[in-house]
Amino acid sequence: GAGVSQTPSNKVTEKGKYVELRCDPISGHTALYWYRQSLGQGPEFLIYFQGTGAADDSGLPNDRFFAVRPEGSVSTLKIQRTERGDSAVYLCASSLLGGANTGELFFGEGSRLTVL
Amino acid sequence: AQTVTQSQPEMSVQEAETVTLSCTYDTSENNYYLFWYKQPPSRQMILVIRQEAYKQQNATENRFSVNFQKAAKSFSLKISDSQLGDTAMYFCAFVSSNTGKLIFGQGTTLQVKP
Repeated sequence: GAGVSQTPSNKVTEKGKYVELRCDPISGHTALYWYRQSLGQGPEFLIYFQGTGAADDSGLPNDRFFAVRPEGSVSTLKIQRTERGDSAVYLCASSLLGGANTGELFFGEGSRLTVL
Repeated sequence: AQTVTQSQPEMSVQEAETVTLSCTYDTSENNYYLFWYKQPPSRQMILVIRQEAYKQQNATENRFSVNFQKAAKSFSLKISDSQLGDTAMYFCAFVSSNTGKLIFGQGTTLQVKP
């Protein structure tokens, strides 16, 4: 596609459930980022992939959060045993190169997660 | 650790006027990039302007320009001839050339009034 695509755009789940959020980056972009954004706040870094590997996962808040990018393209953010505090917009972004050559990040429209 | 601070939660400006949004950052590194991103109500982040730390010349992109003061670790955004479509949340962001991790400030909500 022409831009970064995220699905679902909205997800409502119950506390304790498992959720998956998907990100389809711009074709050819090697770097992929996940951010979490609470209402009225700046995006909070979660994890950054360079190709298939996680180059930096220091922002994942705890072991309930996990992300994969098995073929170096689509990425899935997985949240186990969701808590109400996980409610936020989860943003995905991709970049042509990433790392020391980080240029413009192209963002998706985000997935809004609501945990009841 | 790097941090980015935007001290103005909300700003407003009259259409056609000029407004400046402030941003300061903290880092011990010498090579990095600074960005301003715009986030309208649609949620999608859009790059406004970018500055490489090694460049002394301030970046300019049409009505948008920055005042980059490396010694003071300051990176303000000036919007000239403000338009109604400029209404959005604006984020200052920093990335180290060592890590590639983009860090955002808290954001400034800008309202352009007709």
